[in-house]
Amino acid sequence: GAGVSQTPSNKVTEKGKYVELRCDPISGHTALYWYRQSLGQGPEFLIYFQGTGAADDSGLPNDRFFAVRPEGSVSTLKIQRTERGDSAVYLCASSLNGGALHEQYFGPGTRLTVT
Amino acid sequence: AQTVTQSQPEMSVQEAETVTLSCTYDTSESDYYLFWYKQPPSRQMILVIRQEAYKQQNATENRFSVNFQKAAKSFSLKISDSQLGDAAMYFCAYRSAFVETSGSRLTFGEGTQLTVNP
Repeated sequence: GAGVSQTPSNKVTEKGKYVELRCDPISGHTALYWYRQSLGQGPEFLIYFQGTGAADDSGLPNDRFFAVRPEGSVSTLKIQRTERGDSAVYLCASSLNGGALHEQYFGPGTRLTVT
Repeated sequence: AQTVTQSQPEMSVQEAETVTLSCTYDTSESDYYLFWYKQPPSRQMILVIRQEAYKQQNATENRFSVNFQKAAKSFSLKISDSQLGDAAMYFCAYRSAFVETSGSRLTFGEGTQLTVNP
């Protein structure tokens, strides 16, 4: 079956602009995660959805970052007033539910470059 | 908060040889899960192997095995009979078993870039 998909694959934007990154999880997966991976680093947690609600948004770095999952499937990560420091690969993962036993399946990521 | 440390930024191995990647972690929790993920240039993270902390037996998946030392908080990955396709960035990761209090996130190390030489 289809895995986690993310669009766009690459996004270049100018400093100060607004961007949206999309994640399509595996069908039937209720848990969805966003991570950010800066160059040469491991992924860092941003936010976790269980169904439509954000169960844990403690990893969002500031109020310029926001994510939604209105119907419990597709999620959009939104970044306002982008800064050069936001340049990174944004990874999305989904799992059957949020239980610790369930594997997180990752998408290929969106590489965001802020110029 | 939990931390994961990988002290080897780069490692190399000859094809068909064995290599061990190191990982240490810090936690005050008693129950948790540890993982090794592989990230090739395509960027997609692929689960290689998983270890439950309550299990004393080290996990094994074909050519991949771990050496889990709970008291030392050490979790190394051994790759036997290395193949060219094993070349990638490898990440060690931690996940709490207490999702109600510690959340469901993965905490990753900095990664080890593995090169396999023909």
